Amino acid sequence: AQKITQTQPGMFVQEKEAVTLDCTYDTSDQSYGLFWYKQPSSGEMIFLIYQGSYDEQNATEGRYSLNFQKARKSANLVISASQLGDSAMYFCAMREGLEDSSYKLIFGSGTRLLVRP
Amino acid sequence: DTGVSQNPRHKITKRGQNVTFRCDPISEHNRLYWYRQTLGQGPEFLTYFQNEAQLEKSRLLSDRFSAERPKGSFSTLEIQRTEQGDSAMYLCASSLVSGGWETQYFGPGTRLLVL
Repeated sequence: AQKITQTQPGMFVQEKEAVTLDCTYDTSDQSYGLFWYKQPSSGEMIFLIYQGSYDEQNATEGRYSLNFQKARKSANLVISASQLGDSAMYFCAMREGLEDSSYKLIFGSGTRLLVRP
Repeated sequence: DTGVSQNPRHKITKRGQNVTFRCDPISEHNRLYWYRQTLGQGPEFLTYFQNEAQLEKSRLLSDRFSAERPKGSFSTLEIQRTEQGDSAMYLCASSLVSGGWETQYFGPGTRLLVL
């Protein structure tokens, strides 16, 4: 069965420093996608970054990068130069399947990040 | 604002009452998803639409739940005879599938509290 595991319930980071949020996944499919979303206290899920299983290079989006290690089935999110506004819940999610499938996302339990001034 | 919108943002109801939530997706998106998120957990898939067709429903979607997407535009999620266990955040997401992978964009959610 598909599963996403986030082992860090909470993390602290000092402002302007980098932080890595862990995510491991389990799937038997060869084709899948991995996502990270940010959820502030307001509740909205904000898309951050995406990595496809066949992508050879790690995805980057501004201060966000995804450390994709396929053999280890890990997709860690790296946030560089943390800002106070980065304080939020972060969810790793996986989608399996090809174009005709449901594309539903399977989410982990999340990591709460607190950026200290 | 051209993002996904959801109404109401908050709903408090008494056990046994019916509630209906609305989701307006990004206008050109052809897929619409509903998820439920309970406290301290990640969202869980409930159902999704491809245009107006409801193509998959989770086992979480009991007979008391019904979702529609008339004309492939906005969607409604109705819960009949609400129970305290229905208290959760209900999230809607939309996406455009046009070959290859798509990204789901979420709305702000509707927080439901059943007393």
